[in-house]
Parts: sequence; C-alpha cells; structure tokens
Amino acid sequence: EDQVTQSPEALRLQEGESSSLNCSYTVSGLRGLFWYRQDPGKGPEFLFTLYSAGEEKEKERLKATLTKKESFLHITAPKPEDSATYLCAVHGSSNTGKLIFGQGTTLQVKP
Amino acid sequence: DADVTQTPRNRITKTGKRIMLECSQTKGHDRMYWYRQDPGLGLRLIYYSFDVKDINKGEISDGYSVSRQAQAKFSLSLESAIPNQTALYFCATSGNSGNTIYFGEGSWLTVV
Repeated sequence: EDQVTQSPEALRLQEGESSSLNCSYTVSGLRGLFWYRQDPGKGPEFLFTLYSAGEEKEKERLKATLTKKESFLHITAPKPEDSATYLCAVHGSSNTGKLIFGQGTTLQVKP
Repeated sequence: DADVTQTPRNRITKTGKRIMLECSQTKGHDRMYWYRQDPGLGLRLIYYSFDVKDINKGEISDGYSVSRQAQAKFSLSLESAIPNQTALYFCATSGNSGNTIYFGEGSWLTVV
C-alpha cells in the first residue's frame, strides 16, 4: 500500500537556523514526489516536483532532494514568513492522478 | 484572480440538508478533483474527473456526489449532510499528465 510519512510533526526554529524536513515514502512505481506549502485556512501551494533519485530543486531558501526511499526539504536561514505547514505527497503508478499525502510538518520560525 | 475558484468559501448547514460546493478553473486543465482535509487525517480524495464525461470515485466517496458541468466546472454535493462531513474541502486541477495538482483556496463546511 502506498504510504507517506513526514517528520517531525512540528518544528520550531529561530530565524536563520537552518534545518530539514523529512518525507519517507513507499510506493509502487513513483511517478512524482511533490512538496506543497499550506498556510492556515488556505489551499496547498505547489513548491516542487521530483521524479527520480538524485534530483534536486531549489526555490529561494528551500531545496528539495530525493532518494529512493525519502525526500528532504532543506530550509536555509529561514525567515518568519517561512512559517507554514509543509506537505509531501507522492503520485504512484496508477493513473488516477491521486496524490497520497503525508500528515505534514508545521514549521514555526521565530524572529 | 485565482486560477481555481471555490464557492462558497464558508458555509454552515444543518444535518440532513443538501449542500453544493462549486469549483471553476481558468487553467484550461482537463482533470479536476475534490479533496477533503481533516486535522490529523491529511488530505483525502473524494472524487476525480479526467474530462467532462468521466467521473471516478476516490477513497472516501460515500455520502458525496459530483457533477462535471463543463471542462472548467466541477461541483461537489452532499445530498444529506451529517456532522462528520464537517471539514475543509478543496477543489484541484491538473493537466493531462496528471502530475502537478493545483489547489483552490478551500471551502469550510460546518454541519450542525
């Protein structure tokens, strides 16, 4: 069964304190791993798609990496405006377009 | 203007009432989805549609129905709302590759 687990559930950082969020997955035939950012009461905002092990993508202070079993979202020198819930999802081999989501990591960055 | 628009954004309804959530998109995508988000349970797929003539059940379709009125419009109905359908509902779209899915702003539904 396709499954996605994110850790930690919550993370508190001081402004400028770099860290990483983890997304472990099991899926038969990965067709894409996605990272989204979600602000309270808002829809998930697309950040990155990764397709194969070794792939990396960057956007401002965020960098996503992928291995065969997990993905990391590295946050370098975070700012308070990076505070949000970060969701990881995988698209498996079935062509339903169905994304399997993790529970998310809620990040709080204090000034 | 948002690419994926949901109406209403907030609704309180009574148990047993029929409620419809509407979604329209300007992204030109063929694929549309309805997801539900609950605290601790994450996002779960209710229904999805690959084109106007295609409707498919997701993992939690019981108690819900959908209608794909046009390429750009996909509505979700609760025929007889119950309190455990209180949740945040998201409409989403994707292109034919089905890979990147874009979400609307969400509709808060409270069933009392």
